[in-house]
Amino acid sequence: DTAVSQTPKYLVTQMGNDKSIKCEQNLGHDTMYWYKQDSKKFLKIMFSYNNKELIINETVPNRFSPKSPDKAHLNLHINSLELGDSAVYFCASSQDPNKETQYFGPGTRLLVL
Amino acid sequence: QKEVEQDPGPLSVPEGAIVSLNCTYSNSAFQYFMWYRQYSRKGPELLMYTYSSGNKEDGRFTAQVDKSSKYISLFIRDSQPSDSATYLCATLGRSNYKLTFGKGTLLTVNP
Repeated sequence: DTAVSQTPKYLVTQMGNDKSIKCEQNLGHDTMYWYKQDSKKFLKIMFSYNNKELIINETVPNRFSPKSPDKAHLNLHINSLELGDSAVYFCASSQDPNKETQYFGPGTRLLVL
Repeated sequence: QKEVEQDPGPLSVPEGAIVSLNCTYSNSAFQYFMWYRQYSRKGPELLMYTYSSGNKEDGRFTAQVDKSSKYISLFIRDSQPSDSATYLCATLGRSNYKLTFGKGTLLTVNP
């Protein structure tokens, strides 16, 4: 009964490939997020959806495309992977966009070779 | 100037020590101030949050905000080896729905 789950946990792939990461939350929250944490542990927001509507779209290459099929799911598709995309990607959810408490998933460790 | 500045450490202390972790922020619009804790190879989890200036205590942890100087602190009393983790300060503004994190401070409490 994990609150926020992500698949896969690890992803090793070649440059130029396309990959997807999936996230699901069973907390009944309206808002979901994607964060990128680089090798120096800096955690930065990428996207946020509230009730399936995109509300945060940070300066991220358009190779990254989020998709929210319903409130409980938020996926991240990455085209033409580059070496610099190697990082840990965290999904999170909160009750609403103004809530200070966000619940994070375990992360997806992406390594691009 | 980054919106939230945090000394990345690392910080190493003996068990039982008092730990002080600090951040500064630049945007006066920030209204909520949070501390997240991240254990190695795990996702961050909320430890404490405060709204406006003042102190908030929860067991061995005290969060402090001084909005006049834009300073955020977390104090850990009687630190334990289980407190070893990366501590991330974060702020939330009312209007942009965005949680802005500091770079995190890696804390090791040695038994």
